[in-house]
Amino acid sequence: KAGVTQTPRYLIKTRGQQVTLSCSPISGHRSVSWYQQTPGQGLQFLFEYFSETQRNKGNFPGRFSGRQFSNSRSEMNVSTLELGDSALYLCASSIQTSNTGELFFGEGSRLTVL
Amino acid sequence: DAKTTQPNSMESNEEEPVHLPCNHSTISGTDYIHWYRQLPSQGPEYVIHGLTSNVNNRMASLAIAEDRKSSTLILHRATLRDAAVYYCILRDRSSGNTGKLIFGQGTTLQVKP
Repeated sequence: KAGVTQTPRYLIKTRGQQVTLSCSPISGHRSVSWYQQTPGQGLQFLFEYFSETQRNKGNFPGRFSGRQFSNSRSEMNVSTLELGDSALYLCASSIQTSNTGELFFGEGSRLTVL
Repeated sequence: DAKTTQPNSMESNEEEPVHLPCNHSTISGTDYIHWYRQLPSQGPEYVIHGLTSNVNNRMASLAIAEDRKSSTLILHRATLRDAAVYYCILRDRSSGNTGKLIFGQGTTLQVKP
């Protein structure tokens, strides 16, 4: 059974550009969540999507957005990149049969903003 | 979400048991206790979770205090592959936050050969 797949794994952008990251969840999983990981702030929740609808949003500016497609694949977008957006962006999927179900994480997309 | 407190780091010798503590004195009756770990250069992975009773699985055991204000993750025989950051997380089973985890700083476990 394939795990959570995130693309691209690594990317470099410059300030002011925008970036789109992709996440393919485990087959059959309908919930996709995104997290940002930085050395200073640790792992922080960005947002969660279920059945193409955003269910939850973390405390991030509007430059961070996402969407989910009918096949449960998800993308997140960061516009007007800032140096502080350099981070590892992790995607997690779950079956979402209960509020405490196991989350399965991908290996992440490492974004460097120059 | 209720907060958890963990030591910043711990050391263990290979093949010995490891007890990773977590304090959650403000835990509510609907909070499950979850543990995830993050190996170097990987995303977090689920380890174990419990509500009131001690739990065992192939990876670890979870011992929960009777008053639920603390818990301990037990790795019975640490291997070098267990070197990771371990996160103790509370999840409210009554909320709709199915995909939202609140991560603290976790405990960095070093395993020495």
